[in-house]
Amino acid sequence: NAGVTQTPKFRILKIGQSMTLQCAQDMNHNYMYWYRQDPGMGLKLIYYSVGAGITDKGEVPNGYNVSRSTTEDFPLRLELAAPSQTSVYFCASSYDYRETQYFGPGTRLLVL
Amino acid sequence: EDQVTQSPEALRLQEGESSSLNCSYTVSGLRGLFWYRQDPGKGPEFLFTLYSAGEEKEKERLKATLTKKESFLHITAPKPEDSATYLCAVLHSGAGSYQLTFGKGTKLSVIP
Repeated sequence: NAGVTQTPKFRILKIGQSMTLQCAQDMNHNYMYWYRQDPGMGLKLIYYSVGAGITDKGEVPNGYNVSRSTTEDFPLRLELAAPSQTSVYFCASSYDYRETQYFGPGTRLLVL
Repeated sequence: EDQVTQSPEALRLQEGESSSLNCSYTVSGLRGLFWYRQDPGKGPEFLFTLYSAGEEKEKERLKATLTKKESFLHITAPKPEDSATYLCAVLHSGAGSYQLTFGKGTKLSVIP
């Protein structure tokens, strides 16, 4: 099993550009999550999904969008990149909300 | 406000010098507490889950314990390869659903 995979590993965006961060898991998990991690701060939940077609906002959803058309994939969309979105983004998945979340390797995003 | 506080922020130990990391929390409806290890440039790696006060889990040189207000991660005779940031996360009920709140982490450095 590859576990949770994320692409790209690193990306530089100009202000106002758009991009999609990809996330996939092969563990047949129902729940998937997107977090951002800023220096000196705890991981913050952006969006999560409890299954295909079902998504909900987390703590810091502004400026992001998600969709979940399959169990395996959970892409995160940035429509108009801003410097405040410079961060490291982690995707995670779990079988159930009470179960352990397994994390991907992260995408480092720099918005200039 | 739901809070998870980890202390110390950073800890330097000599190889073989045992110590403990603390995770204190003030949340409503605790459902579980998770410990993760995070190496630089990588995603968090799951270590332990604790669900109720009095519970203990062990893995190699690490032992996690849980009380009603805090959790400890005890490191016995650490080695340089134990150097990493250790994250604590608390699963609790809030705003009509369950959420995982992360602490900011403790950066552990083990000196040979």
